[in-house]
Amino acid sequence: DQQVKQNSPSLSVQEGRISILNCDYTNSMFDYFLWYKKYPAEGPTFLISISSIKDKNEDGRFTVFLNKSAKHLSLHIVPSQPGDSAVYFCAASHLTKYSGGGADGLTFGKGTHLIIQP
Amino acid sequence: DTGVSQDPRHKITKRGQNVTFRCDPISEHNRLYWYRQTLGQGPEFLTYFQNEAQLEKSRLLSDRFSAERPKGSFSTLEIQRTEQGDSAMYLCASSLGWEAPNTEQFFGPGTRLTVL
Repeated sequence: DQQVKQNSPSLSVQEGRISILNCDYTNSMFDYFLWYKKYPAEGPTFLISISSIKDKNEDGRFTVFLNKSAKHLSLHIVPSQPGDSAVYFCAASHLTKYSGGGADGLTFGKGTHLIIQP
Repeated sequence: DTGVSQDPRHKITKRGQNVTFRCDPISEHNRLYWYRQTLGQGPEFLTYFQNEAQLEKSRLLSDRFSAERPKGSFSTLEIQRTEQGDSAMYLCASSLGWEAPNTEQFFGPGTRLTVL
């Protein structure tokens, strides 16, 4: 079963407006949630993360909101720019049980293709 | 360039052949991860290392797959007796293995495998 779901395969937004990408998860034991951006023929690039004990994290134009009761998170991009056109992946992680800290492997959603229109 | 590098970027092979991919992580990162991504899907976790120790293996990692990180630096992923279903992008990532918030994983460009 898919533990991280991105139900919108694509989203089209006008340049300068707000882009809102959504993600739902089923496993309440996740410790961290992350958003990655991916261009064709490149690996995913880390954008922003949020701990499960927080409800908001902001970094420049990017803000991630976490609603634990709804098992839902969203990424807001304001204002949207042409360079933001890419596939966005939501991912979740567990802090590792092994010594040395860090996280186990990430669980990804299927991605949302964001298209910023001029 | 101090990012994660992967070699080769593309590999075309015939069914039944063995292939090996290499990943060089960011130098101070002691965690190294392998993922596989197929068309229309997000990356799927395969395995990860802390230094030279392989800590976790996904059930996706069949016995035809083996990964090593002999000196705790670069890693190799070998697929034996390749099948057409192995065609995918193989991604490597690395991270610092310390307490949060250093849980971000930094990805390489991937190796695109095509099995004919």
